[in-house]
Amino acid sequence: AQTVTQSQPEMSVQEAETVTLSCTYDTSESDYYLFWYKQPPSRQMILVIRQEAYKQQNATENRFSVNFQKAAKSFSLKISDSQLGDAAMYFCAYRSPNSGNTPLVFGKGTRLSVIA
Amino acid sequence: DSGVTQTPKHLITATGQRVTLRCSPRSGDLSVYWYQQSLDQGLQFLIQYYNGEERAKGNILERFSAQQFPDLHSELNLSSLELGDSALYFCASSTSNGLKTQYFGPGTRLLVL
Repeated sequence: AQTVTQSQPEMSVQEAETVTLSCTYDTSESDYYLFWYKQPPSRQMILVIRQEAYKQQNATENRFSVNFQKAAKSFSLKISDSQLGDAAMYFCAYRSPNSGNTPLVFGKGTRLSVIA
Repeated sequence: DSGVTQTPKHLITATGQRVTLRCSPRSGDLSVYWYQQSLDQGLQFLIQYYNGEERAKGNILERFSAQQFPDLHSELNLSSLELGDSALYFCASSTSNGLKTQYFGPGTRLLVL
């Protein structure tokens, strides 16, 4: 079974600075999908960014980008120009490439605080 | 707004009772997933339906059941509730092509007293 590990339970960053959240995963599959979700105090799960394993190019969405290292099974999230609204729990998630839809496997999350 | 709706938003009930949580997926999405988020267990997959049929089961207790109706909305039934069932229950839906990204509803907060 696949597992996802987020080794940093908590992180903090100064407003306008850059922070990187770590995520590693364990899988024997060669193709899969990776996601970062944000959960603010409202508890809503919001998709931040997604990456297909067969694509070498790292995904980018505005201030959010990933560093995808397939051989190392690492999928870190970089947040640039951090804003107060970025404060939230961040979850890394893995999905198998099964032709049918498959559930997400989540890490335990990293709580990010943004300091003004 | 993800387009996935869940009702009710909050539910307070007593041990031993039964409750039903409802989810409507995004328009056009055939897959519905249920997840449980508790303080000590993180986000756990419970069950998945695709176009009315059960597709995958995760760590779902026998006291819990679900179904997906012809209009594609889904219901999660929780019975003989225990204190430990208190959690945030999410429904997510996904498309049938491409990345099949899952979009989450706002969740139902269940408190069992």
